[in-house]
Amino acid sequence: VQLVQSGAEVKKPGASVKLSCKTSGYTFTTFYIHWVRQAPGQGLEWMGIINPSGGNTIYEQKFQGRVTMTRDTSTSTVYMELSSLRSEDTAIYYCARDRDQYVDRKIFDPWGQGTLVTVSS
Amino acid sequence: EVVLTQSPATLSLSPGERATLSCRASQSVSSYLAWYQQKPGQAPRLLIYDASNRATGIAARFSGSGSGTDFTLTISSLEPEDFAVYYCQHRFNWPPTFGQGTRLEIK
Repeated sequence: VQLVQSGAEVKKPGASVKLSCKTSGYTFTTFYIHWVRQAPGQGLEWMGIINPSGGNTIYEQKFQGRVTMTRDTSTSTVYMELSSLRSEDTAIYYCARDRDQYVDRKIFDPWGQGTLVTVSS
Repeated sequence: EVVLTQSPATLSLSPGERATLSCRASQSVSSYLAWYQQKPGQAPRLLIYDASNRATGIAARFSGSGSGTDFTLTISSLEPEDFAVYYCQHRFNWPPTFGQGTRLEIK
C-alpha cells in the first residue's frame, strides 16, 4: 500500500492550492481517505475525509467553505483544494488512508509522505 | 470537540529505560484512542489503535492501556529508534482530534 503525494507548493495569500494523493496497492474505492495538516513545529490537525467510492465528504468546520476534496477513480487519486490561502495555512499536508475497509473508523494508516505548502507574499 | 492533553510535554530517558506517556481526554472517548509516532521529517506512523491494539508490524515493546478519559502508552525498554514525538488521537466523534504531542528525547 502506498500513498504518494504531489510536490511542494509556494502560494501567495488569497490564492488556492490543489494537492494530490495517488494511491496504489489496494482497491481504491474501498478505503476512506483523510487529510491532516501540520504547521511548522506544531501538532496534527484533521481537515476532512472523502469516500473514494461515492465522493462523499465531511469537512472540519474550521475549513468549511475553503476546502474541497475530490477523487479520480480512474487514477486512484484523491485531491484536496484549499482556497483563500493565508500565512497560517503554511503547513505540511498529509493524506492518510483509513485502516479498515468500507467504514470511516478514523484510524489513520498508512500516511502519505506529506506536501509542504508555503503561503507567503 | 474533544480536547486531548498529553503529558509530559518532553520526556528525557536513556535507552533501555521504560517510558510512560499519558493522554487525557476532556470527555470520555470510550476505548477509541490511537497513538502515533513521528520522527523528524517523516509522516506519523500508527502504533496503537482502540487503546490497546498494536498496529501491524509494531514491536511488542509498545503497549497501550486505558479507557474513558485516561490513557497510557508504554514502551517497555527504549531502543535508540524510539526517540521521537508521540501523538494520541481519538475517534469517538467528529471531529477526530490529536493531542499536542510528547517529545521523547535521549537523556
